[in-house]
Amino acid sequence: DTEVTQTPKHLVMGMTNKKSLKCEQHMGHRAMYWYKQKAKKPPELMFVYSYEKLSINESVPSRFSPECPNSSLLNLHLHALQPEDSALYLCASSRDSAGDYYNEQFFGPGTRLTVL
Amino acid sequence: GQQVMQIPQYQHVQEGEDFTTYCNSSTTLSNIQWYKQRPGGHPVFLIQLVKSGEVKKQKRLTFQFGEAKKNSSLHITATQTTDVGTYFCAVTGFQKLVFGTGTRLLVSP
Repeated sequence: DTEVTQTPKHLVMGMTNKKSLKCEQHMGHRAMYWYKQKAKKPPELMFVYSYEKLSINESVPSRFSPECPNSSLLNLHLHALQPEDSALYLCASSRDSAGDYYNEQFFGPGTRLTVL
Repeated sequence: GQQVMQIPQYQHVQEGEDFTTYCNSSTTLSNIQWYKQRPGGHPVFLIQLVKSGEVKKQKRLTFQFGEAKKNSSLHITATQTTDVGTYFCAVTGFQKLVFGTGTRLLVSP
């Protein structure tokens, strides 16, 4: 199984809502990532989890809260978002993130988020 | 942070024409990856280049890493409509991947 799954596919939320995005992989990968992608732009890294520990937070606002319950699951909790947070949120995984030689990243289909 | 520029930003070709996108960095790279993202889709890994001057081929796609390891290119021979999408190079460093600005390819039949 070389698939990364994400739910939901689409999400519309108000600025006062709390919601969560979910990501799952069963490839035994030990690194997982959250990216944000705006239209016609490249993916921008938000968070990196390595061996279930948060290793990189790219100065993401606290209204985004990541969680890695186990090595297969990654969540992104959303609270009090702004309309400018509307974007495609991509989850990815790779074998690991250590060292100079990087493994390929496998991306999920993404969650298209609209904040009203 | 590290910036990686790709040119052109956009290219529209007729099916059968060739296409090349270039990826340029101001710093020496340890390695470089290429991804393709179809419209409405997600990035899909194509290849990784590690060695200076490395050339790799995948059917009609040819990938090259510059001798100085500061640039890379992707060349598609005889494009097909299935080649439509955005091609990103991505550079690695400190546990993370930084994507280039991308080249959007449109192929007309």
